[in-house]
Amino acid sequence: DQQVKQNSPSLSVQEGRISILNCDYTNSMFDYFLWYKKYPAEGPTFLISISSIKDKNEDGRFTVFLNKSAKHLSLHIVPSQPGDSAVYFCAATRNRDDKIIFGKGTRLHILP
Amino acid sequence: NAGVTQTPKFQVLKTGQSMTLQCAQDMNHEYMSWYRQDPGMGLRLIHYSVGAGITDQGEVPNGYNVSRSTTEDFPLRLLSAAPSQTSVYFCASSYSFTRLDQPQHFGDGTRLSIL
Repeated sequence: DQQVKQNSPSLSVQEGRISILNCDYTNSMFDYFLWYKKYPAEGPTFLISISSIKDKNEDGRFTVFLNKSAKHLSLHIVPSQPGDSAVYFCAATRNRDDKIIFGKGTRLHILP
Repeated sequence: NAGVTQTPKFQVLKTGQSMTLQCAQDMNHEYMSWYRQDPGMGLRLIHYSVGAGITDQGEVPNGYNVSRSTTEDFPLRLLSAAPSQTSVYFCASSYSFTRLDQPQHFGDGTRLSIL
């Protein structure tokens, strides 16, 4: 039973355009969400997070939007750059819970 | 500037062998965890620890043991390796599971093949 779903295994975007990565969750108790980025042969690195008390969080080119009623979040990257080509994992947890649940990941290809 | 260190980086085992994957962090983090990454499956939590002497099971604990005798180290033991345990294993640590603003730091992984 997958609690965090990333339904697009891969996504290709032209350099300079907007990349939008989507994530859905089923557990309404989740109240904190994170995005991690992973390059080949490296461990995941934290990118951006959002608490359920917010609906948007920005950090430079990266913005995460949260729609609690739809149990959906998305990561926007504007403008997309070649170095953004990586696998992106969505993750979720409950406040003071001790487990972080990851989605299957979306591989983003930035095309020249 | 070590962060989370995993050893070995690569390992090949025969079915039935046992081995220990090492994980060490130098950030005085309370929370440590082990994940496995398989194609199409994302990162799945195997075991985790919220502090020295405390461990608990994650999503896929069968076939693995852990212990946390020190804050720094969190080894993962494969008791009797099986081909289904062929995977890339990641160790992660964070300040505390109650501090969600302090995200997890991951090691670079151990690529394990079971023949």
